[in-house]
Amino acid sequence: DVKVTQSSRYLVKRTGEKVFLECVQDMDHENMFWYRQDPGLGLRLIYFSYDVKMKEKGDIPEGYSVSREKKERFSLILESASTNQTSMYLCASSSGRNHKGYTFGSGTRLTVV
Amino acid sequence: KNEVEQSPQNLTAQEGEFITINCSYSVGISALHWLQQHPGGGIVSLFMLSSGKKKHGRLIATINIQEKHSSLHITASHPRDSAVYICAVFGGSQGNLIFGKGTKLSVKP
Repeated sequence: DVKVTQSSRYLVKRTGEKVFLECVQDMDHENMFWYRQDPGLGLRLIYFSYDVKMKEKGDIPEGYSVSREKKERFSLILESASTNQTSMYLCASSSGRNHKGYTFGSGTRLTVV
Repeated sequence: KNEVEQSPQNLTAQEGEFITINCSYSVGISALHWLQQHPGGGIVSLFMLSSGKKKHGRLIATINIQEKHSSLHITASHPRDSAVYICAVFGGSQGNLIFGKGTKLSVKP
């Protein structure tokens, strides 16, 4: 069964900590995405990548960075976590320009205290 | 105004009822996606369509490109259909997904 795997289901971090959220897909997809989901705001795109070592800002990149050193792995980094980054984070991947096989991970619920 | 609008925001139905969720969008798109999210977070893709109609079990999705409108129908609804249903379109300058706010469906036994 094809998968997008996010390393943690729940995470609690302190304000100011550096936080890494990992996402791995086993479908050889070129495209990978990081979203956050908040009540009333829906899903918002943070960063995306269409190839290894390539990254593009989404709609809300402030306070985040990403890393794509290998095709299967896309990491989201919170350089200095803040309480307003408490959210559900979802990773997704797809193939090609037509986004074939668009698949989401199960999400990481991050709480920053 | 949101680029993708869903209605209704909340929907409560009795088991066995026929359910319709609507999605309207204002941008040019290459395809539209219906997603399902159960409590706990994980999102599952139900359909991706760019024209006409698709059916999978009790679920039917239709799209009218000219009217920029799509519907998701659930026949013979069941409590396990209770979830948030999200419409998303591939559009915008970079062709990424643009999401609606979701429709929360609760099916009572």
